[in-house]
This record gives sequence, structure tokens and C-alpha cells, in this order.
Amino acid sequence: ETGVTQSPTHLIKTRGQQVTLRCSSQSGHNTVSWYQQALGQGPQFIFQYYREEENGRGNFPPRFSGLQFPNYSSELNVNALELDDSALYLCASSPKQGLNTEAFFGQGTRLTVV
Amino acid sequence: GENVEQHPSTLSVQEGDSAVIKCTYSDSASNYFPWYKQELGKRPQLIIDIRSNVGEKKDQRIAVTLNKTAKHFSLHITETQPEDSAVYFCAAMDWNNDMRFGAGTRLTVKP
Repeated sequence: ETGVTQSPTHLIKTRGQQVTLRCSSQSGHNTVSWYQQALGQGPQFIFQYYREEENGRGNFPPRFSGLQFPNYSSELNVNALELDDSALYLCASSPKQGLNTEAFFGQGTRLTVV
Repeated sequence: GENVEQHPSTLSVQEGDSAVIKCTYSDSASNYFPWYKQELGKRPQLIIDIRSNVGEKKDQRIAVTLNKTAKHFSLHITETQPEDSAVYFCAAMDWNNDMRFGAGTRLTVKP
């Protein structure tokens, strides 16, 4: 096991609602990245947090936002949910930022928007 | 931004044969190239990675090659086993730690 944990594992929300997903990074890791993985596709980079600040963002609208806390855990918030937001949301932690070190994934949160 | 293309999308081999998956990337600033294996319903697991200052890396039955000039890299699995069956993703990371994934290759190893 990698030590990266996510909660909840499954979630069903209604279109227009807001959702918060949580990620605890592996011990000693200070960088957390979030990805959206639609069925049958590769993970798509949402954004990365390093030392509580956003450090890079993919092609996602502003209604996707995040936080990182002093203990390096992180939250992904999605407002005004759309049906296309249904996907597996993965977080990955890594020990350092800027040195291209390997990222270890959590088990993911499967979000279904109805 | 970076664009990673991966081929083939599906690959079926006989147990014991070799499997090769190829990826190309567009951003010459990318300098880290990991490969992940994802079994059904599970998280992606890092199986091997290579950095831009290296042309080849091997770990038992798995090897990765990188051609920076051509901007492509490949995963080679030798002596395949049924437990190698999974979806494999390549990825490229740039200086800003923005990691882009390929669309994945579904590998089936037939006993």
C-alpha cells in the first residue's frame, strides 16, 4: 500500500450541487496532485498543491478548486456539478516539488452526478 | 501544453511473448516519463520511470527507452505473464510538475 488515502470512495450527487473530496498524502510527502479519470480514459491533470499553494493547473474551469492544509492533506471542491463531472477522481502525492519524483496514487473517489 | 499520444489502444499477446507500448509527447521541456499499470477497479501503480538524462532503464522483465530527439518513449515487457494483463498508461511531466497521461493501452496476456 502507498499510504495515500481518499474519502469518500463513492459518492452520488445531483447536477448543480457542490462536492468536496479529500486526500491524505503519504507520510513525508508535501506535494499533492489531483486527476480526473473518465471511464476508459487516462487521468487528466486538474491541479497540484505544494506547501499549501496551487502550483500548476490543467485545463479545468474555475469551479474546480482546491486546498492544501499544513499537514499536506488536500481537498478538491467542485461547484455547480455537471453530468460530465462523473468520473474517478484520483489524488497523488510525491515527496518533493520541482524534482520530478514519482507520484503515488490513492484508490480514488468515484463520483456519479445524476 | 503537453500532449501525449499512446499506441496501441489494445494489445493481445501470448504468454511468454514480448509486449511493446509506444508513446510520443509534444513538449520538449518534459523531462520525466513514468509508466503506470492500472488493474480493473484499482489505483494506477508506478512500474517504471525514466528521466530525460537517461536513454534506457531496465527492471527485471520491464524496460523503458527514451528518444528525446524524436520525443518518443516505449515500454517493453518481456516473457509476459497473465498477471501482466492490465491497462498501462504512459505520462510526461514538465518542469512545472504538470503530468499528462496517454489514453492507455489495454494489455491482455493469453495463457
